[in-house]
Amino acid sequence: AQSVTQLGSHVSVSEGALVLLRCNYSSSVPPYLFWYVQYPNQGLQLLLKYTTGATLVKGINGFEAEFKKSETSFHLTKPSAHMSDAAEYFCAVSHNDMRFGAGTRLTVKP
Amino acid sequence: DTAVSQTPKYLVTQMGNDKSIKCEQNLGHDTMYWYKQDSKKFLKIMFSYNNKELIINETVPNRFSPKSPDKAHLNLHINSLELGDSAVYFCASSQGQGAGNTIYFGEGSWLTVV
Repeated sequence: AQSVTQLGSHVSVSEGALVLLRCNYSSSVPPYLFWYVQYPNQGLQLLLKYTTGATLVKGINGFEAEFKKSETSFHLTKPSAHMSDAAEYFCAVSHNDMRFGAGTRLTVKP
Repeated sequence: DTAVSQTPKYLVTQMGNDKSIKCEQNLGHDTMYWYKQDSKKFLKIMFSYNNKELIINETVPNRFSPKSPDKAHLNLHINSLELGDSAVYFCASSQGQGAGNTIYFGEGSWLTVV
């Protein structure tokens, strides 16, 4: 069975600082991994996904994530946080269906 | 044009009532889903349909019944609503089922049972 664990239910950074949201996965087969963002009172939007190939995946809004098989990780980063990045972020793994992590709320301080 | 649209967006109703949430996707996708998001933001799949056929039916009370009249629509009917049903319900779709398919979500339906 596949699952993902997001470390830290809440991350707070200052505007302009590095954003690092952590995700570790468990999968018995090569995983397909996703990051979604949810802004307040909205649905989930795809940020980026990893299927095969290049392990560094670039997404929208300046986010990127690196698939590290040896660490079973797929952490999401952004070099410089903007106020508009404040949202809930979900890591997910896909096999027969998509399973989501518990989410990490990102707060950006001015 | 909204890719996955669901109505109503907000719904407040009393315990014991029956309610429906409608969902339509205009992406031409074969697979549709219902997810439930609780107050702690945890997302759990409820149902999955592929070409109108039920594929995934997680452990969900029988009071919840999905209906897919065609592959562009997946409605959710809930009987005898309970307080614990209060949540956000997301409809979603993907091109196909299985690994690697990106899931596209609707805006959500906020259900409050009082």
